[in-house]
Amino acid sequence: DAGVTQSPTHLIKTRGQHVTLRCSPISGHKSVSWYQQVLGQGPQFIFQYYEKEERGRGNFPDRFSARQFPNYSSELNVNALLLGDSALYLCASSIQETQYFGPGTRLLVL
Amino acid sequence: QKEVEQNSGPLSVPEGAIASLNCTYSDRGSQSFFWYRQYSGKSPELIMSIYSNGDKEDGRFTAQLNKASQYVSLLIRDSQPSDSATYLCAVTRLAGNQFYFGTGTSLTVIP
Repeated sequence: DAGVTQSPTHLIKTRGQHVTLRCSPISGHKSVSWYQQVLGQGPQFIFQYYEKEERGRGNFPDRFSARQFPNYSSELNVNALLLGDSALYLCASSIQETQYFGPGTRLLVL
Repeated sequence: QKEVEQNSGPLSVPEGAIASLNCTYSDRGSQSFFWYRQYSGKSPELIMSIYSNGDKEDGRFTAQLNKASQYVSLLIRDSQPSDSATYLCAVTRLAGNQFYFGTGTSLTVIP
């Protein structure tokens, strides 16, 4: 079975631009969560979606938004990028309580 | 106070030794506890989950949970150089599945 997939793998943007990151969960998983991981830190929770509904939101500004589609894939959008948004963005899909991570998208904001 | 705290290390152990990784959490209502391993430049991969007090063993790995002390640990027996990675402790609260991660402990196993 395929694991969690994310695209793109790497991305370079400039300040003020917008970015869309994509995630496909493991087949059969209906919940998707997004995390931001900056170097030297643990992942920080951004959003969780279950059955297309937002189930939780972390302490991130409104520039961050997400949605989940009927096939349970998900998008994370970040507007007005700042240098501090440079990080590894992780998507995790879950069944019950265990979360399985995708390979991540490494975003660099210049 | 951080939700989940771990010693950042680095922790160095010789090959074949036992590596002991520790984690404390602040919310007494926390329900589920997880250990993930993260190699440099890669995403976290699940090692073990534990939900009730006591020990849980899986191969060379043993997770220990003490809810009264709000403490979770991971023991790695017969440590191998391939175990060299950052180990992340994650905790979920009573309501919902939001994971709270510690900053991770860097482990180096010396051949």
